[in-house]
Amino acid sequence: SQQGEEDPQALSIQEGENATMNCSYKTSINNLQWYRQNSGRGLVHLILIRSNEREKHSGRLRVTLDTSKKSSSLLITASRAADTASYFCATVGLSGNTPLVFGKGTRLSVIA
Amino acid sequence: DAGVIQSPRHEVTEMGQEVTLRCKPISGHNSLFWYRQTMMRGLELLIYFNNNVPIDDSGMPEDRFSAKMPNASFSTLKIQPSEPRDSAVYFCASSWTGRNNEKLFFGSGTQLSVL
Repeated sequence: SQQGEEDPQALSIQEGENATMNCSYKTSINNLQWYRQNSGRGLVHLILIRSNEREKHSGRLRVTLDTSKKSSSLLITASRAADTASYFCATVGLSGNTPLVFGKGTRLSVIA
Repeated sequence: DAGVIQSPRHEVTEMGQEVTLRCKPISGHNSLFWYRQTMMRGLELLIYFNNNVPIDDSGMPEDRFSAKMPNASFSTLKIQPSEPRDSAVYFCASSWTGRNNEKLFFGSGTQLSVL
């Protein structure tokens, strides 16, 4: 299984602080993706990083990928209450044609 | 584009009844995925289609579950007979799957409660 494992399971921070979530996976990948899920809603794609990339930015999001350690991190800078959600990593196998397999997510609470 | 559309949004049924969940993917997408989400097991892939053809249904729990995609704009997931342990949120997602699997677009899900 390519399942990513997010760490921590839950994270609570104050508004304005940075939030870091980690993801580890088991086997070689084509790409790794991060998704956000607000309560009662579907998942929304945030960012995709390919196996030959080490870092990617999108607005207040920064994703790193270390293929030697089979791990990735998602950093949200200057967090806002609206960032409160669950965050999932998902991996695609080396062939690039396998479906996304999701971890169980990190529940982030940003307190105003 | 309206995004991935799922219906119904909520379904409450009694054990033994047939349940049909519906999904309309984003126009132009060639892959469709059914996922189930529970607190205990997280987000599980049930089945996925590429160009309307089922590619992998190894995640379907048992014969009570079946899925169809009669055309590029419609898919159904059927549970017959339903059981209380089937209670979960069922998500449909679609994507354009070229050489590499790109991002998924999810529907809002169907909250299924089997009493």
